[in-house]
Amino acid sequence: AQSVAQPEDQVNVAEGNPLTVKCTYSVSGNPYLFWYVQYPNRGLQFLLKYITGDNLVKGSYGFEAEFNKSQTSFHLKKPSALVSDSALYFCAVRDGSGYSTLTFGKGTMLLVSP
Amino acid sequence: GAGVSQSPSNKVTEKGKDVELRCDPISGHTALYWYRQSLGQGLEFLIYFQGNSAPDKSGLPSDRFSAERTGGSVSTLTIQRTQQEDSAVYLCASSLEQGVGGYTFGSGTRLTVV
Repeated sequence: AQSVAQPEDQVNVAEGNPLTVKCTYSVSGNPYLFWYVQYPNRGLQFLLKYITGDNLVKGSYGFEAEFNKSQTSFHLKKPSALVSDSALYFCAVRDGSGYSTLTFGKGTMLLVSP
Repeated sequence: GAGVSQSPSNKVTEKGKDVELRCDPISGHTALYWYRQSLGQGLEFLIYFQGNSAPDKSGLPSDRFSAERTGGSVSTLTIQRTQQEDSAVYLCASSLEQGVGGYTFGSGTRLTVV
């Protein structure tokens, strides 16, 4: 069975500072990894994905994530946080089989203070 | 349509009543998914439809939950004899076949059972 762990319920960072939201995963075979963001009373919005290729993936709104196979991690990062980045962030994983669905972590609330 | 549409956006129902939640996926997306988001629980997979294949119902929490997808497009999630623990946000998503590139989510239906 596949699973995702987001060890932090909440991450606090000051505006302008770098941010990291952690994610580790477990899956059979090669992982397909995703980050989504959810603003209040909204659905999930796609940020970025890793399927194959470069370990550093760049996505929307200046976010990036680094795939580390040996540590089975896919941490989300941004060099300089904005107050508007405050939201709930979800990491998700699936395997490469045709009939797999995304398994999500419990989410990490990011709070960026002015 | 341009996005995944869910209705109603909010539903308050009395315990023991039946409810129907509707999802209209992106035109051309062959895969459709239902997830449930409860406070502090992340996203819980409920059911997955892929084309004309038999749906993956492995995530449905009890036999009070059912879903259908008519004509390969609109889907309805039905909860019979609602209980207070059914209160949650029900999210629908759609994707191109197999969803390797990720899903597009609707804004969800917030269900409150009183």
